[in-house]
Amino acid sequence: AQSVTQPDIHITVSEGASLELRCNYSYGATPYLFWYVQSPGQGLQLLLKYFSGDTLVQGIKGFEAEFKRSQSSFNLRKPSVHWSDAAEYFCAQTNFGNEKLTFGTGTRLTIIP
Amino acid sequence: DTEVTQTPKHLVMGMTNKKSLKCEQHMGHRAMYWYKQKAKKPPELMFVYSYEKLSINESVPSRFSPECPNSSLLNLHLHALQPEDSALYLCASSHPPGGGPAYNEQFFGPGTRLTVL
Repeated sequence: AQSVTQPDIHITVSEGASLELRCNYSYGATPYLFWYVQSPGQGLQLLLKYFSGDTLVQGIKGFEAEFKRSQSSFNLRKPSVHWSDAAEYFCAQTNFGNEKLTFGTGTRLTIIP
Repeated sequence: DTEVTQTPKHLVMGMTNKKSLKCEQHMGHRAMYWYKQKAKKPPELMFVYSYEKLSINESVPSRFSPECPNSSLLNLHLHALQPEDSALYLCASSHPPGGGPAYNEQFFGPGTRLTVL
């Protein structure tokens, strides 16, 4: 069965500092990987996705993620965070033809001035 | 139109009430999903409809009854709920998976915040 691990429950970063959120997915020949962001009480917004090809993918709001098959990882990065980036971040995985999207447990990001 | 809309935004109901949640999309998607999300947890899949037919029911109690009257609309009928059913209910849509990677991308609505008293 698919599983997604986000090792960090809560991360605090100073505004303007760089950010990396970790995500490890379970083994799959062709994983489809996603990062979603959720502000309190809101729905999920897709930041970026990886299906195949270039392992460094660019998303919205200045985020990027790198797919590393050898490490089964899909870490999210941002060079300089803004106070508005404070939210919950979910990594998710599915596979070809699969209707189920498996979510990680989420990482809560706090930004300090 | 790349939006999934959900109504109402908030709902408070008693344990004996009957209410419905509504979800609508006009992206031509033929797969629609209901998720339940408790505070500080990831969304949990409840139901999947594919081509207006129920394809996945994740052992959800019968007090939750989904309905997909057409390809754009998804309802969740609620009856005799318990306080532990209080949560954010999210709807999502996508193309039916299997047509290629882009078919797996799910678009989420803003959710309905449900409180059961």
